[in-house]
Amino acid sequence: DTAVSQTPKYLVTQMGNDKSIKCEQNLGHDTMYWYKQDSKKFLKIMFSYNNKELIINETVPNRFSPKSPDKAHLNLHINSLELGDSAVYFCASSQVAGEGYEQYFGPGTRLTVT
Amino acid sequence: RKEVEQDPGPFNVPEGATVAFNCTYSNSASQSFFWYRQDCRKEPKLLMSVYSSGNEDGRFTAQLNRASQYISLLIRDSKLSDSATYLCVVLSGGGADGLTFGKGTHLIIQP
Repeated sequence: DTAVSQTPKYLVTQMGNDKSIKCEQNLGHDTMYWYKQDSKKFLKIMFSYNNKELIINETVPNRFSPKSPDKAHLNLHINSLELGDSAVYFCASSQVAGEGYEQYFGPGTRLTVT
Repeated sequence: RKEVEQDPGPFNVPEGATVAFNCTYSNSASQSFFWYRQDCRKEPKLLMSVYSSGNEDGRFTAQLNRASQYISLLIRDSKLSDSATYLCVVLSGGGADGLTFGKGTHLIIQP
């Protein structure tokens, strides 16, 4: 069984469109995350979210918004897509407890904006 | 100075050799340290946590040097399957926003 799943795996869209990426985890973890990995392979956290608190990386444009219908899901919605949004987006989850920051990553969504 | 810095490589190493690489971090208050492995076009996966006393897992040994603010990863008897990018991860604050990934060191094991 897949622990952290994302859909779609590939997403090709045009500038200006609005798109969503879905993420689900079946690990019972309290915290979920979205990361962006750009063409230089630099992995940067965008959001972390548990049932109490959303932590936003201040460098993330407000065109990006996480939506969490429940503890097992954290979807990423992107408005007015730009060329620079092209990247691989990873969802992850962890059970935050002491040093329990091991993060389990989804397989990634490769977004291409044309 | 970058928060978490790694030599991007690539490190080209013959199979069976021992290879080591370091990662430096800038925040002296950093609390936890990890090595993740990322294969090409795949997601990162935890390789090992790094404990203050150092720790070993099979052919892999991780060390932490708080005085000099670096962590290291040593791989003995390297295998072809060790070829990957190794990401240094540092937790420097409360909450996940304090988790910083290095850009990774690319390792290529050659037959």
